[in-house]
Amino acid sequence: EPEVTQTPSHQVTQMGQEVILRCVPISNHLYFYWYRQILGQKVEFLVSFYNNEISEKSEIFDDQFSVERPDGSNFTLKIRSTKLEDSAMYFCASMREWGSDTQYFGPGTRLTVL
Amino acid sequence: AQSVTQPDIHITVSEGASLELRCNYSYGATPYLFWYVQSPGQGLQLLLKYFSGDTLVQGIKGFEAEFKRSQSSFNLRKPSVHWSDAAEYFCAVGGYGGSQGNLIFGKGTKLSVKP
Repeated sequence: EPEVTQTPSHQVTQMGQEVILRCVPISNHLYFYWYRQILGQKVEFLVSFYNNEISEKSEIFDDQFSVERPDGSNFTLKIRSTKLEDSAMYFCASMREWGSDTQYFGPGTRLTVL
Repeated sequence: AQSVTQPDIHITVSEGASLELRCNYSYGATPYLFWYVQSPGQGLQLLLKYFSGDTLVQGIKGFEAEFKRSQSSFNLRKPSVHWSDAAEYFCAVGGYGGSQGNLIFGKGTKLSVKP
């Protein structure tokens, strides 16, 4: 069964450094998402992406964040200058079509900012 | 504002006992509702979903959930819990505008299973 994959599984970085989290969505899916889950808290929506542009973004997704689908298969989340509070599990999700469909989640990348 | 409440942070049940996990939502339109399960170190796996129609929906692993509009609830049930069901369970509602552009999650309920 096709699945969403994410790399790396764990990323440790120093505060102020840039990180790029990578996701490979399911191949025939058209809608892509990033969520995050700070330890002990709920999963929160960050951004959705369709047709090579951002569809929706939350208040969390400020100028430090960006997303890209550089090559038609990868979907990346970049954090330009990480802060301690960016430490979280980041989940990628993809969905085939709009409407009565389901978002499929990857296993997540745990980001630790020191 | 849209929100999801899971009032139970942690539930412990004995193996073979029945289970009900509660979920209440606040949403302006007819919601799309989901239950996801997260095992330690794993991603979120969809258990079941409700979009319309029959208010009792069946999912994987023997789970079911019932949508009750009058109570704004979407509780998850299983008649007989197995040790492998120990995990964290998240209820989610589809985003605004009748779409599911973004999911709003509850804080989750951690399920422990006693032998």
